Amino acid sequence: EVQLVESGGGLVQPGGSLRLSCAASGFTFSSYWMHWVRQAPGKGLVWVSRLNNDGSHTTYADSVKGRFAISRDNAKNTLHLQMNSLSAEDTAVYYCVRGSESNGYRLFDSWGQGTLVTVSS
Amino acid sequence: QSALTQSAPVSGSRGQSITISCTGTNNDIGSYNYVSWYQRHPGKVPKLMIYDVNNRPSGVSDRFSGSKSGNTASLTISGLQTEDEADYYCTSYTTSGTLVFGGGTKLTVL
Repeated sequence: EVQLVESGGGLVQPGGSLRLSCAASGFTFSSYWMHWVRQAPGKGLVWVSRLNNDGSHTTYADSVKGRFAISRDNAKNTLHLQMNSLSAEDTAVYYCVRGSESNGYRLFDSWGQGTLVTVSS
Repeated sequence: QSALTQSAPVSGSRGQSITISCTGTNNDIGSYNYVSWYQRHPGKVPKLMIYDVNNRPSGVSDRFSGSKSGNTASLTISGLQTEDEADYYCTSYTTSGTLVFGGGTKLTVL
């Protein structure tokens, strides 16, 4: 069974940093594209970033480019999202999402339960 | 990278058909046939229902269908069932190589 378990969320002050992690299990992690998607309170889903299977290719939404960095450790089956210069607009539940086996750079087939990031003073 | 614009909340009676629209631009929906639709029940994670405009993953009911015209994509659900009540999100690949979601549409089955 595919499992994606996020951690690292919490309360952080504006301008601060946070590092999210996603522990993957139940599949060959190194074979899949991985994404981060977020959802602000009462709002819709927003795609944040993706990373290819070997970590050599990253893409970011304009809203986080230059502030967030996605990475992975295939030896530890873990996905990360380093978030810097956080603002209130980054407050959201962050989901770790697996790309589909086919065309995983643009399709999602498994989601974690999410971790809440709150940016507030 | 503005969000795709989805239609307002929609409702329908069991057995009826409804259509949800998703409008983008020439930089996303208008450039690729890479529109997907996800269903999300409250408290649950999203589920892929339609990909590449009009393709259903294995296991998804054929009551769900998709289409596209210009910069607007549509999801049609026929023979509405109680379990179809959920939020529906469209997504598209963009010319920047990113992905963009719609704001979501709530479907209520009466």
